[in-house]
Amino acid sequence: QKEVEQDPGPLSVPEGAIVSLNCTYSNSAFQYFMWYRQYSRKGPELLMYTYSSGNKEDGRFTAQVDKSSKYISLFIRDSQPSDSATYLCAMTPTGANSKLTFGKGITLSVRP
Amino acid sequence: GAVVSQHPSRVICKSGTSVKIECRSLDFQATTMFWYRQFPKKSLMLMATSNEGSKATYEQGVEKDKFLINHASLTLSTLTVTSAHPEDSSFYICSARLPQGGYNEQFFGPGTRLTVL
Repeated sequence: QKEVEQDPGPLSVPEGAIVSLNCTYSNSAFQYFMWYRQYSRKGPELLMYTYSSGNKEDGRFTAQVDKSSKYISLFIRDSQPSDSATYLCAMTPTGANSKLTFGKGITLSVRP
Repeated sequence: GAVVSQHPSRVICKSGTSVKIECRSLDFQATTMFWYRQFPKKSLMLMATSNEGSKATYEQGVEKDKFLINHASLTLSTLTVTSAHPEDSSFYICSARLPQGGYNEQFFGPGTRLTVL
């Protein structure tokens, strides 16, 4: 079993839809959870991060972490064509030398 | 936010040649930089952790002699793919961490697409 699993997609939604992206993980040591957005041929850009369980909201984006289920989600409200990108979840344990473990990424396309 | 640049953005080379990729932190000093590799429709795979002034730490399965990493200053790390072969063709991405930076203070470069003919 891979440490981080993410639905491979792709996912296509109409503009204005609510998008739900999810990852599951197996390593209970993970404490920090991140979502990155990566446009085609570009490096990843940090979108959201959450420590331990809970919700975090930033504009149209909401990140949720359920450590008991080892499940994290990213919700995008009122999706826009500019949200079309690949979204990667990433997570890491605590510790100064902790490394990020990424999901495979899911490509989202928002149709005008 | 902090900016990380990579050069070149794209390189095409013949099999057997060596290629150097530069990663620079433009507005901050990075004691730690990371090198990743990304295949099409795949996730980022960490290749090595580069610490300024010391040897890089390579992930299991990554050939040290093939992927030479040098982190000679607080703003520059280089990755040299030696004797490149077509299977080395990939998207290489670096990231830099702020000094005393935590998990999230890691900023990614735009990536370098390497094509080996």
